[in-house]
Amino acid sequence: KAGVTQTPRYLIKTRGQQVTLSCSPISGHRSVSWYQQTPGQGLQFLFEYFSETQRNKGNFPGRFSGRQFSNSRSEMNVSTLELGDSALYLCASSPRYGQGREQYFGPGTRLTVT
Amino acid sequence: GENVEQHPSTLSVQEGDSAVIKCTYSDSASNYFPWYKQELGKRPQLIIDIRSNVGEKKDQRIAVTLNKTAKHFSLHITETQPEDSAVYFCAALRDQAGTALIFGKGTTLSVSS
Repeated sequence: KAGVTQTPRYLIKTRGQQVTLSCSPISGHRSVSWYQQTPGQGLQFLFEYFSETQRNKGNFPGRFSGRQFSNSRSEMNVSTLELGDSALYLCASSPRYGQGREQYFGPGTRLTVT
Repeated sequence: GENVEQHPSTLSVQEGDSAVIKCTYSDSASNYFPWYKQELGKRPQLIIDIRSNVGEKKDQRIAVTLNKTAKHFSLHITETQPEDSAVYFCAALRDQAGTALIFGKGTTLSVSS
């Protein structure tokens, strides 16, 4: 099976702009989670989607949002970008929702905000 | 909420030695504990995981142990090789949190030949 894919892989944006990142899960996986990875804060959970519904949300401002489509593909959006949003954004897919299911990560999107 | 502490932050070993990384968690409801390996510029890869109804799990040179009473779990790598050099992350999850993994800060393992 093909792994988790993310597009684009690299992105440079200016402060104040918005950005949309895309994630395609492993075929058959229905749960998608998003994480932000920075050198200072490490890996932090953003939100997760299952059956097109957001199931959990981490401690991030409302500028961070997402959605999931009927084919399980997911997008996340960051509006009014700030310099501190520069990070590697990783999505992970899981076969089912909850109950400690293994998650498989995509290669990430490296976002740089200038 | 859950908090995961990971130690040490860096670990240097000689090829063939063993390496041990320890994590402690705060939420006694956590019941799933995966370990991820991340090489430079690459995605985190799931290398082993353990559930709270199991005390130990092995996969070739890698093993994970869990002590629920003390709320800590450890990754053991035996006969280390240069290709084991990477950043290792532990994480914890409880059922009610869906797939929201809480990660430790990571351990940079360097294996010199």
